[in-house]
Amino acid sequence: ELKVEQNPLFLSMQEGKNYTIYCNYSTTSDRLYWYRQDPGKSLESLFVLLSNGAVKQEGRLMASLDTKARLSTLHITAAVHDLSATYFCFLVSNSGYALNFGKGTSLLVTP
Amino acid sequence: EAQVTQNPRYLITVTGKKLTVTCSQNMNHEYMSWYRQDPGLGLRQIYYSMNVEVTDKGDVPEGYKVSRKEKRNFPLILESPSPNQTSLYFCASSLSSGGHYGYTFGSGTRLTVV
Repeated sequence: ELKVEQNPLFLSMQEGKNYTIYCNYSTTSDRLYWYRQDPGKSLESLFVLLSNGAVKQEGRLMASLDTKARLSTLHITAAVHDLSATYFCFLVSNSGYALNFGKGTSLLVTP
Repeated sequence: EAQVTQNPRYLITVTGKKLTVTCSQNMNHEYMSWYRQDPGLGLRQIYYSMNVEVTDKGDVPEGYKVSRKEKRNFPLILESPSPNQTSLYFCASSLSSGGHYGYTFGSGTRLTVV
């Protein structure tokens, strides 16, 4: 069974600071996704990482994937309040059918 | 606009009264799936479908049924809802089961069973 562990689960950070969210997983997978969820809203795609060494950046967010270490990171640079949300990583099982989610990281950016 | 549409958005029902939550996508996606989101547990997969008439159980299928008679629709059926099925439900779709282009999620259905 593919297990996905995110940490931290809660993160309060000041505006302008940098931080990293970690997503570890237990078995081989080369498809990892980062999504964002605002309170009471749906999940919005941030990054799709499909190969070892993949790095993608959008604004103040950068995601990377190391399939050998079974680790993905979501790095936040110079945080702003608009980034306050819950961030999920999830992976697709090797069968291609089952999605396995981390429990999410609830991020609060304060002035 | 490409989207996944769920209905209803909110539903309060009584124990044992059958209900259906609808999910429809307009992107000609092959893969569709249902999730429930509970505090502290994250999202867990209920059922998924690889194509018309092809469905399979996810991690938490007990108490739920699904059908995929048409490519665009993937309803979630609760034959006899119980209070432990109170949750936030999401439907999602993808072009194919590999998910190489990512997944599109619906807006969610908040279900309360009393």
